[in-house]
Amino acid sequence: EVQLVESGGGLVQPGGSLRLSCAASGFTVSSSYMSWVRQAPGKGLEWVSVIYSGGRAYYADSEKGRVTISRDNSKNTLYLQMNSLGAEDTAVYYCARDSFSGSYGIVFDYWGQGTLVTVSS
Amino acid sequence: DIQMTQSPSSVSASVGDRVTITCQASQGISSWLAWYQQKPGKAPKLLIYAASSLQSGVPSRFSGSGSGTDFTLTISSLQPEDFATYYCQQAKSFPLTFGGGTKVEIK
Repeated sequence: EVQLVESGGGLVQPGGSLRLSCAASGFTVSSSYMSWVRQAPGKGLEWVSVIYSGGRAYYADSEKGRVTISRDNSKNTLYLQMNSLGAEDTAVYYCARDSFSGSYGIVFDYWGQGTLVTVSS
Repeated sequence: DIQMTQSPSSVSASVGDRVTITCQASQGISSWLAWYQQKPGKAPKLLIYAASSLQSGVPSRFSGSGSGTDFTLTISSLQPEDFATYYCQQAKSFPLTFGGGTKVEIK
């Protein structure tokens, strides 16, 4: 069974950093297209980043230079390193898998439960 | 960036009603479109991909259509478990973008 479990969220001060983790089971992260999608409280969905199985990564324009997506194959875990955080980054962050490997564009058929990041002083 | 515009933003409907949600892309995206359902406090769930392909396990009362810039999600007979917020997403190019959502409420 495919499972995605996010962790690492919490309260962080403006300008701070945070690393989110997404532990996967039931499949191999390094062989998959994996993304981060966030949702601010009461708002819609916003794509943040994707990493392809081959390692190439893409980012939303608003996040370029501030976030880095990566994975640890030995731990079968996806990460999102976020720096220079601001109030606009407050959101639930979901990791998601595209098990079609981009055959229909990047879509998200498996999601974690999300981890809440709150940026506030 | 490709902008995705959903309408309506909310709809009130009764069990058994036919519900139609539309999504318009700011430029042509062929059939690179997905639909998701999200319930409060839960992660989104993929319903439709490639504009009209039903995701495994999703009831057949859900259907998607369209290509180019105009797309539709139809729920043929609304069930109690379908009251939720629905999002479209373009999968053609980066940055991937979602519509603003359509909340389906009980009438």
